[in-house]
Amino acid sequence: QKEVEQNSGPLSVPEGAIASLNCTYSDRGSQSFFWYRQYSGKSPELIMSIYSNGDKEDGRFTAQLNKASQYVSLLIRDSQPSDSATYLCAVPEGGNNDMRFGAGTRLTVKP
Amino acid sequence: SAVISQKPSRDICQRGTSLTIQCQVDSQVTMMFWYRQQPGQSLTLIATANQGSEATYESGFVIDKFPISRPNLTFSTLTVSNMSPEDSSIYLCSVSVYNEQFFGPGTRLTVL
Repeated sequence: QKEVEQNSGPLSVPEGAIASLNCTYSDRGSQSFFWYRQYSGKSPELIMSIYSNGDKEDGRFTAQLNKASQYVSLLIRDSQPSDSATYLCAVPEGGNNDMRFGAGTRLTVKP
Repeated sequence: SAVISQKPSRDICQRGTSLTIQCQVDSQVTMMFWYRQQPGQSLTLIATANQGSEATYESGFVIDKFPISRPNLTFSTLTVSNMSPEDSSIYLCSVSVYNEQFFGPGTRLTVL
């Protein structure tokens, strides 16, 4: 069975620091990868997608992909208390583009 | 992206009853997905609903328990049948747009 693994945390960082979230996946054929943010009591919100090896930056967020090592990470620079949420890594599994989600990493940014 | 609404947003139901959850999208989409998120857990795919054909269920989920309708390209329903307390969960509808998935606000179900 295809797996998506994340450290469930919790991960706590001080305000202004860099938060680093990691994800590994088992299917070497995976071509696209997604990071979702989920605030407590809310539904997941897509924040980053990455398809190629290397880094992809969007504001304070950087996604990093290494297909050879089968890991994808999300860096959050200048972390803010409003970044406190659970971050979910997702990888499409089937031909219908249905997603397999990791367990999620709960991030707390302390003022 | 897509704007997705779900009804009801939450419900409290008695054991043995059924609840139908509605999902409406603001644009036509081929695939709609139903997920379950149990308390403190990640998302688990229940089924994929393609308009005009029967839904495809994931391992551990069956049509008798979770019948799905997909009458057109903007609407789907998920029914949770013969509910038990173990069905207490958040049920999420999602759609795929240009290979990215977007989620509805979810339906929080509590079964007593």
